[in-house]
Amino acid sequence: KNQVEQSPQSLIILEGKNCTLQCNYTVSPFSNLRWYKQDTGRGPVSLTIMTFSENTKSNGRYTATLDADTKQSSLHITASQLSDSASYICVVRGNDYKLSFGAGTTVTVRA
Amino acid sequence: DAGVIQSPRHEVTEMGQEVTLRCKPISGHNSLFWYRQTMMRGLELLIYFNNNVPIDDSGMPEDRFSAKMPNASFSTLKIQPSEPRDSAVYFCASGRASSYNEQFFGPGTRLTVL
Repeated sequence: KNQVEQSPQSLIILEGKNCTLQCNYTVSPFSNLRWYKQDTGRGPVSLTIMTFSENTKSNGRYTATLDADTKQSSLHITASQLSDSASYICVVRGNDYKLSFGAGTTVTVRA
Repeated sequence: DAGVIQSPRHEVTEMGQEVTLRCKPISGHNSLFWYRQTMMRGLELLIYFNNNVPIDDSGMPEDRFSAKMPNASFSTLKIQPSEPRDSAVYFCASGRASSYNEQFFGPGTRLTVL
């Protein structure tokens, strides 16, 4: 069973609107959680990394939250742009080098 | 910083042929990872090197897959013989072993085995 579950699987939003992606995980022990953006035909690029003690972190129009007690994270995209169309992957690291990957949420931003 | 470099970017081959994928990690990074990404299974770790030494190859599907890292600036992933089910995007990632264990991904090699 995948230890990182993401929702929704995909979503479509209009340019300029906001959206929130969800990530639930069961990985334990927990070291850090990161959100990656993967454009079509490219490798994943890290947006944010949060450790146990951090509950929010921003990177431009991207804001990630983390609730380590409930093992939930979210990624909020503000004022979406066409370039935000991509797959967003939630990745959790345990106490070693291994990463547990979510299946990703595909975001499509339409003009 | 050129980032992680992978070659070729696309590879189309026939079943039974040998395929070699190449990776040049970011200079100064001592960890290197090979991943495979498919629609069905997402991203899967194949093998992890630390300081050029294979630490974990439990993700390598079978004996047809092999990986080497002869020095800190080069790694290869070889499939021999290739099969249609090997069709996927193969990513190489590198990083510095640390508490964050940040991994920087290359652009990937899209492999199609006919």
